[in-house]
Amino acid sequence: EPEVTQTPSHQVTQMGQEVILRCVPISNHLYFYWYRQILGQKVEFLVSFYNNEISEKSEIFDDQFSVERPDGSNFTLKIRSTKLEDSAMYFCATSTGRNTEAFFGQGTRLTVV
Amino acid sequence: QQQVKQSPQSLIVQKGGISIINCAYENTAFDYFPWYQQFPGKGPALLIAIRPDVSEKKEGRFTISFNKSAKQFSLHIMDSQPGDSATYFCAAITNFGNEKLTFGTGTRLTIIP
Repeated sequence: EPEVTQTPSHQVTQMGQEVILRCVPISNHLYFYWYRQILGQKVEFLVSFYNNEISEKSEIFDDQFSVERPDGSNFTLKIRSTKLEDSAMYFCATSTGRNTEAFFGQGTRLTVV
Repeated sequence: QQQVKQSPQSLIVQKGGISIINCAYENTAFDYFPWYQQFPGKGPALLIAIRPDVSEKKEGRFTISFNKSAKQFSLHIMDSQPGDSATYFCAAITNFGNEKLTFGTGTRLTIIP
């Protein structure tokens, strides 16, 4: 069964450092998303990406965050200057189209110290 | 108005019993309602989904009941098994090209022998 692959599984970084989280989408999927889940809380939408541009972003997705698909396959989330409150599980999700099933990766646990 | 409210926060059910999780929403633009199942350390996985033109959808032991006028929907797990122990999230997507999932707060379900 095709799956969304995320790397790394766990990233520890110092406050103020830049991190890049990577996602390999399912091959025929066209819509890409990042969500985050702070420990014990609900899953929150960060950003959606379609046709090489952001289609929507949440209030959480401020200027410190950026996304890109640099090589046409990997989909990345960059946090420029991490803060303690960025510590969370970050999930990449992909889908074939609107209002269709979104497949989630296993997540990257980001710990900012 | 974008929120999806979910209850209970946690639920303990005996093996063989019926697990019931409820969700409510305000935004009438929501038109796709998936339920996700999440095991510890894993990403959410789609369990079952419904559109508001039907009042019930059943897949195996899992049933969604949908009440459009009350803006409520619920997940019923029949003959609950220990393997069903997980966190369940209801979610919703709007019908005007906005692909993001708005998640409920989650229900931690524990099935006891």
